[in-house]
Parts: sequence; C-alpha cells; structure tokens
Amino acid sequence: AQTVTQSQPEMSVQEAETVTLSCTYDTSENNYYLFWYKQPPSRQMILVIRQEAYKQQNATENRFSVNFQKAAKSFSLKISDSQLGDTAMYFCAFMNRPYGNKLVFGAGTILRVKS
Amino acid sequence: DVKVTQSSRYLVKRTGEKVFLECVQDMDHENMFWYRQDPGLGLRLIYFSYDVKMKEKGDIPEGYSVSREKKERFSLILESASTNQTSMYLCASINPAGRMGEQYFGPGTRLTVT
Repeated sequence: AQTVTQSQPEMSVQEAETVTLSCTYDTSENNYYLFWYKQPPSRQMILVIRQEAYKQQNATENRFSVNFQKAAKSFSLKISDSQLGDTAMYFCAFMNRPYGNKLVFGAGTILRVKS
Repeated sequence: DVKVTQSSRYLVKRTGEKVFLECVQDMDHENMFWYRQDPGLGLRLIYFSYDVKMKEKGDIPEGYSVSREKKERFSLILESASTNQTSMYLCASINPAGRMGEQYFGPGTRLTVT
C-alpha cells in the first residue's frame, strides 16, 4: 500500500520570505502522480501543483515549485514570496494511475504566514 | 468552473440516528469520492464511485454506505451514527479524461455525533 508522510505538522514564515514543505512517499509503482493541495481556513480544497513521475523536470506554478526526487521518494513544495493568503493547511497526495483516480493523502502541514 | 456542493456545512446528530450527506457536482464527472478528514490523519477515503450505480470501498468503509442513482449526486449514509464518526466529511469529483489527477472538492460537512 502507498503511504504519504508529511513530517512537519506546523510551520510559519514571514511575509515575502520563502518556505519549503516536506513530503515523502512510499510506492513500488512507476506510473504515478504527486500533488500538493491547499485548504485555506473554512474554504474549499484546491490543487496547487502537480508532478507526473515520468517527468524529470520539476513542476512550477508561479510562486509555487516542487523539488521531486524520485529515487529518494521525496516531493517538497517551495513557496516563494509568501503572502498572507498562503496561510492554509497543505496536503501532499499520491495517485497510482493504473489503479484509478484515488488519492492517498499525507497528514497535512499547517502553514501560517506572518506579517 | 467546476462546482461541487454539499448539502450542509454543519450537522449535529444523535448516536444511533441514520445520517445522509449529499454531494452534487455540476460538471458531468464520472468519478466521485467521499473522504473524512481528521487532525493528524489527513484525508482518508471512505467510498468512491466510477459511475452511476457503481461503487467501491475505500480504506475505511466500516459504518458507512453510499448511493449513486444519478451521475451528479453521490450520497454518503451513516446507517447508525456513532461518536467516533464525528469528523469533517469531504466530497470530491474528477473527470478521468480531464486535467489528469485534479480532484475538485466540496466545502465539507462538519458532522458532530453526540
């Protein structure tokens, strides 16, 4: 069974600074996807960024980027120029593509951006 | 924009009651999911559905059942609510042929069983 581990329950960062959230996963599969989802306080969960395992290039979406280390099974999220609106719970998630569209989530990291 | 709605944001029920949580999506997605979210555990999959009248158990199906009579609606049923089912429940949907992997989530229902 696949597992996803987020070892940082809570983090904080000053506005405009950079923060990195960690995620490791365990799988014996080769065809999979990794995701970071964001859940703002009292708001709906939304997708932040996605990485396909067969792509070596790290995904980037504006201020959000990932460091995907396939051999180490590591998938960290870097947020540059942090903004107050980045305050949220962040979930790392894994999808084993041949087994449908089910997601396996980590426990989450609460990120607080301070002004 | 895809919209996933859930029937209630907050719900309080008594032990032993039958509870229905409704989820509706407006984008004709084939796949729908029910998760529960608990602190320190993240989201765990309860049940999912590939299409109308098709369902499969997730990782924690005990004490729950589901119904999908129409494509846009996926219901989670707690046959006899218990206090350990107090949790946040999230519904999600996905178009398998769409932007790969992106699940769209509803706002969640915070259920308290007393």
